[in-house]
Amino acid sequence: AQTVTQSQPEMSVQEAETVTLSCTYDTSENNYYLFWYKQPPSRQMILVIRQEAYKQQNATENRFSVNFQKAAKSFSLKISDSQLGDTAMYFCAFMLGYDMRFGAGTRLTVKP
Amino acid sequence: DTGVSQDPRHKITKRGQNVTFRCDPISEHNRLYWYRQTLGQGPEFLTYFQNEAQLEKSRLLSDRFSAERPKGSFSTLEIQRTEQGDSAMYLCASSLVTGDSETQYFGPGTRLLVL
Repeated sequence: AQTVTQSQPEMSVQEAETVTLSCTYDTSENNYYLFWYKQPPSRQMILVIRQEAYKQQNATENRFSVNFQKAAKSFSLKISDSQLGDTAMYFCAFMLGYDMRFGAGTRLTVKP
Repeated sequence: DTGVSQDPRHKITKRGQNVTFRCDPISEHNRLYWYRQTLGQGPEFLTYFQNEAQLEKSRLLSDRFSAERPKGSFSTLEIQRTEQGDSAMYLCASSLVTGDSETQYFGPGTRLLVL
């Protein structure tokens, strides 16, 4: 079964600085999708960014970008110019067909 | 608001009671998912529907859990004879599957507390 590991339970960053959240996964499959979701305190899960495994180019959405290393099964999220509103739990997720597996999350705090 | 909605947002019940949660997906979405999220963990897949068909239910946590999507629109998740261990956030997500591409959009969740 596919597993997702987020090795950083908590992280903090100063406002306007850059932070990178780590994610590794385990699969023997080739065609899958990877996601980062953000869950602010007491608010719903929001999609941050997605990556198709067949694409070599790293996905980017405004201040959010990923470093997708397929051979290493690594999928890190970089947040540039961190803002106070980025404070949230961040979940990495792996999807194969209908089956989506989440990591345990990284709690990110952006400090003013 | 055209996002995924869930009702109720909070539910407190006594052990042994039955509870039912409702999810209204984004209107054009053809897939609907249910997840459970316990404190400090990521969501855990329970079941999903493609239109009105429930295509995977082996990962429902026990036979006390059941889900329906009678007309391919809204869905309900029922827990019978609730136990304290059922206390968690129950999340619904919907998606529009086009070819091989799919992105799930989540609702706000129903937080269940079993006393």
